[in-house]
Amino acid sequence: GAVVSQHPSWVICKSGTSVKIECRSLDFQATTMFWYRQFPKQSLMLMATSNEGSKATYEQGVEKDKFLINHASLTLSTLTVTSAHPEDSSFYICSASTGLGNQPQHFGDGTRLSIL
Amino acid sequence: GDSVTQMEGPVTLSEEAFLTINCTYTATGYPSLFWYVQYPGEGLQLLLKATKADDKGSNKGFEATYRKETTSFHLEKGSVQVSDSAVYFCALSGDSSASKIIFGSGTRLSIRP
Repeated sequence: GAVVSQHPSWVICKSGTSVKIECRSLDFQATTMFWYRQFPKQSLMLMATSNEGSKATYEQGVEKDKFLINHASLTLSTLTVTSAHPEDSSFYICSASTGLGNQPQHFGDGTRLSIL
Repeated sequence: GDSVTQMEGPVTLSEEAFLTINCTYTATGYPSLFWYVQYPGEGLQLLLKATKADDKGSNKGFEATYRKETTSFHLEKGSVQVSDSAVYFCALSGDSSASKIIFGSGTRLSIRP
C-alpha cells in the first residue's frame, strides 16, 4: 500500500535553532501534502496545505514565517520550524494525497519535536 | 464551519466487551467520513471510511455507518481485544482526497485483559 515516510521521527534541539522535517511519498506522486500539529492528548490541528510547485496555504493563526513549508517535488515536502522555542515542542504529522478522486490521504508516522 | 464531535474518553473496557464510540458531525454538502486510529507513539492509520449516506465502513471487526439523518458515524466493535487499545479519531473531509481533513478530539480506548 501507499507509504509516507517522515524524517526524523524524533528530534531534540536547543532553543533558537531551526529544524527541518521531511515528508516523502514513497510509491506515489503526492500533488497535495498536509502538515498537522498535535499537542499531547489532543487532536490533530491542520497547519497548512501545500501543493507541488506553489506556495502553501496556511490555516488561520499559523505563522507562515515561523513554519516554512516547501513542496518542490511530487514526492517531497518539508516543514522548517525557524528559531524554535519550547512552545513549538509538539508532534508534527504530515499526510500526502494524489489528489485523484476520493483516494484517502496517507499519513506519516509523525515527528516528535522537543525544544530545550 | 465544518466540525466533528466525538465522545470524550478515556474509555476503559474489559476484553471481549462491546464497544461504541459516538461521533456526530456538522458539514455543508456531503462529506466523506473516516475513523483513524493512533497507536502509542505512532502516526495515524485509516481504520475505515464511508463516502455517502447509508454506506457502512468496516475493517478489523470495526464498523461505522454513515447516517445522514442523524449526522452520525458511530464506531462499533462486537468484541474488543487488548491490542485495540489506542486513540480513535473521527474525521470528515470533502469529496476530493486533496480536501483537508477535520478531526474530532479523539477518544482514548484502554482494554483490560
